[in-house]
Amino acid sequence: NAGVMQNPRHLVRRRGQEARLRCSPMKGHSHVYWYRQLPEEGLKFMVYLQKENIIDESGMPKERFSAEFPKEGPSILRIQQVVRGDSAAYFCASSLTRLAGGYEQYFGPGTRLTVT
Amino acid sequence: GESVGLHLPTLSVQEGDNSIINCAYSNSASDYFIWYKQESGKGPQFIIDIRANMDKRQGERVTVLLNKTVKHLSLQIAATQPGDSAVYFCAEIYNFNKFYFGSGTKLNVKP
Repeated sequence: NAGVMQNPRHLVRRRGQEARLRCSPMKGHSHVYWYRQLPEEGLKFMVYLQKENIIDESGMPKERFSAEFPKEGPSILRIQQVVRGDSAAYFCASSLTRLAGGYEQYFGPGTRLTVT
Repeated sequence: GESVGLHLPTLSVQEGDNSIINCAYSNSASDYFIWYKQESGKGPQFIIDIRANMDKRQGERVTVLLNKTVKHLSLQIAATQPGDSAVYFCAEIYNFNKFYFGSGTKLNVKP
């Protein structure tokens, strides 16, 4: 039973380019969460999605960032016109239910984005 | 916004000793707390959780204590092993889907 998959593991982009980060949740999980982690800091919540729906995007910057979780395929975190401040590790997590009771999120290995 | 913080950024212990990692939280309405372990280059891994209506919960070699009076959470690791070396985060959860993580404590286990 594969865990949460993220790709690419490392991504280098020049300023102004677009970054696409992909997350495949654990089998059977329909809830996906994206977090950003700066060096030496904790994870910061960005967005929570269910299949085809954005449930909570309160942690996501209003501009340049978007996320989707289509009916088929992985969840995508998209960053347009990247700037150096976007350099960070981006983690995806998935859960079986809406985290009522178990509260267990399973995290992927992360994508480390470097903007040059 | 709400925040979760940690008292000690780094902790060094001798192999075999017990470790205690502390965490302060600010939202008295948080209904759930989780401790995560993050090894270098990997995503966080769930260790143990505790509901706000509990004071203590034990797992295998780990115990979480919750003091709601002072909004304090701790993780105790018994007989610390080299494999326990990692960064440990506490997270508070409220509204059932909002996670707030602390900045982490790095645990170094000396052989």
